[in-house]
This record gives sequence, C-alpha cells and structure tokens, in this order.
Amino acid sequence: DIQMTQSPSSLSASVGDRVTITCRASQSISSYLNWYQQKPGKAPKLLIYAASSLQSGVPSRFSGSGSGTDFTLTISSLQPEDFATYYCQQSYSTAITFGQGTRLEIK
Amino acid sequence: QVTLRESGPALVKPTQTLTLTCTFSGFSLSTSGMCVSWIRQPPGKALEWLALIDWDDDKYYSTSLKTRLTISKDTSKNQVVLTMTNMDPVDTATYYCARMMEATYGSGSTTRPFDYWGQGTLVTVSS
Repeated sequence: DIQMTQSPSSLSASVGDRVTITCRASQSISSYLNWYQQKPGKAPKLLIYAASSLQSGVPSRFSGSGSGTDFTLTISSLQPEDFATYYCQQSYSTAITFGQGTRLEIK
Repeated sequence: QVTLRESGPALVKPTQTLTLTCTFSGFSLSTSGMCVSWIRQPPGKALEWLALIDWDDDKYYSTSLKTRLTISKDTSKNQVVLTMTNMDPVDTATYYCARMMEATYGSGSTTRPFDYWGQGTLVTVSS
C-alpha cells in the first residue's frame, strides 16, 4: 500500500498566520491527492482535490500544491474556524490511504 | 441535496459480525463514475479507508482487512451495506460512509475524492 506521511503531526499558530502542512507519498501518485478538514465530533470535509483544485464553497485562503510524492496545503491567513485536524488522502491506488493527520491548534 | 446516513448496532461482542447500512439520497449509485466507500476512525486516531463499491458493482477492499470485509449495494433502495466479521475491541471506531463522484480537473483528467460524508456511527466492541 502507498504510505502517506504528514508533517508536522501538530502545529500551534495564531489567527492571521500563514500555515503550511506537508504530505509525502511513499511512491509517485501524480496529482491524486486530496485534503480534508475535520473538527471534533464531525465528519471530514473535502477542501482540495487533485492536489490543487478548490472544492466548491471552500474559502480561497485554502490552497494546495504539489505532484508526484510531495504536496502542501496552505492556509494563507488563519481564521478561528480553521483550527481543526487536516488529513491528506491518495486516490492513485484502489487501496486508498490517508495520512495520520495534522492537528492545528490555537497558540 | 446529497445526504448519507449510517445505521447499525452501537455495541457488538467480540467475534460477532458487524453489519452497517449506508442509506443515501440525492444521487444514484447506478450513475457512471459514482462510488460509495466506508471509512472508519478509532477514537482519537486517524481515518482508515475500508472498502469501496462502484456503479458497475466493482468492489475494492483494504489490504489489511479484506478477508473480513464484504461490501454490497442495493441500487433500488439507495443503500450500501458493509459487513465485517470476527469483530475485536480494536475495531471500536466511528464508521463513516462517503460518496465518491468523478471530478474533472486540469485538461480533462478525472479523480474521485470523498465529496460527501455521513455523520458517522460509533461502534463499540466489548463483551
């Protein structure tokens, strides 16, 4: 199976900060990389698909980049509602895998 | 409006078989490109994909769990059913179903992210 590794595992930041989360695949996955946001007690929400395409309704402060094995999710100016856990997920293989998550906390 | 809802027992005993049903509306699983997956999340841990069924009745399973999982669909009822055999306390988790619909990007490439999720159902495995 393709292993997805996110870094950092947790991150403290302040409102207004620019934040970047990285995701690395154990083999090339082209652009078959999606990002999700999950708040406590809620289902995950799709933010970015195909590495850099913004899902409808998602604020433009979220952006994604990368291809092959290295990907990033960037939040340009953190808002209070952005404090959550973020997951990457590959859909290159039919054995779908997620990263271990990055918890974004308020500093 | 797309909705998905998981249903099933909240508590199962070790060695029992778990049967979960995902009932959805707002889309048809007979539409080309449409898929439904099951994903689980143990308390405080990461998401784990379990199984997928597509519009053509093709089925895919987690490598580590495939001997214990069966996924099926009833298109007329708009339902997808997951069974997991030989349940163990480590299988305690919130179980989600999610839609995967083909999305186009770039110069015509396609992908299928999980674009809609159910609210999840917590299953506890304990004697």
